[in-house]
Amino acid sequence: GQNIDQPTEMTATEGAIVQINCTYQTSGFNGLFWYQQHAGEAPTFLSYNVLDGLEEKGRFSSFLSRSKGYSYLLLKELQMKDSASYLCAVMDSNYQLIWGAGTKLIIKP
Amino acid sequence: ETGVTQTPRHLVMGMTNKKSLKCEQHLGHNAMYWYKQSAKKPLELMFVYNFKEQTENNSVPSRFSPECPNSSHLFLHLHTLQPEDSALYLCASSQDRGPSYEQYFGPGTRLTVT
Repeated sequence: GQNIDQPTEMTATEGAIVQINCTYQTSGFNGLFWYQQHAGEAPTFLSYNVLDGLEEKGRFSSFLSRSKGYSYLLLKELQMKDSASYLCAVMDSNYQLIWGAGTKLIIKP
Repeated sequence: ETGVTQTPRHLVMGMTNKKSLKCEQHLGHNAMYWYKQSAKKPLELMFVYNFKEQTENNSVPSRFSPECPNSSHLFLHLHTLQPEDSALYLCASSQDRGPSYEQYFGPGTRLTVT
């Protein structure tokens, strides 16, 4: 079966760095996406990785290791507005997104 | 502004009612999707339309009936729903189906079935 695992909840301090991990087992691989979803709002696209390595975009970076079925999202210089759920999703061989249940990130002052 | 709108934002319906959810995308995309999001569960893909043609139906009960009259509009018709159908229903669109095309989501319809 297809499976995406990510921690349910994480807590971090404003100004710090946090890493959210995602492991996956899917039928085929056509890239991995990270989305941010604030409570009561739509998910918004953060990053896409299809090749191994690190993609940096401002305060956010995303890493992929296809051989390990592993990705992480790195958030630097945390701000209170970063409090949200972070969703990991893998595109399978049928071009369908398989989603994790999301990681709720709580930022404390 | 994500370019994808959904109405209504909230809906309460009885199990014998019939209602419809509407989604409109203003992005010129060719693919549209319906998802169900339940608390603490992964997003569940329900239906996919590409160039107005339904390409996926992920074993969704027949009490959910999609309609895509054109590439900008998507409907989800609901009838004789069950309490376990209460969830957030999200519409999304993407330029096309395939690698690298990120999906843009609407704000969702919060559905409560009583």
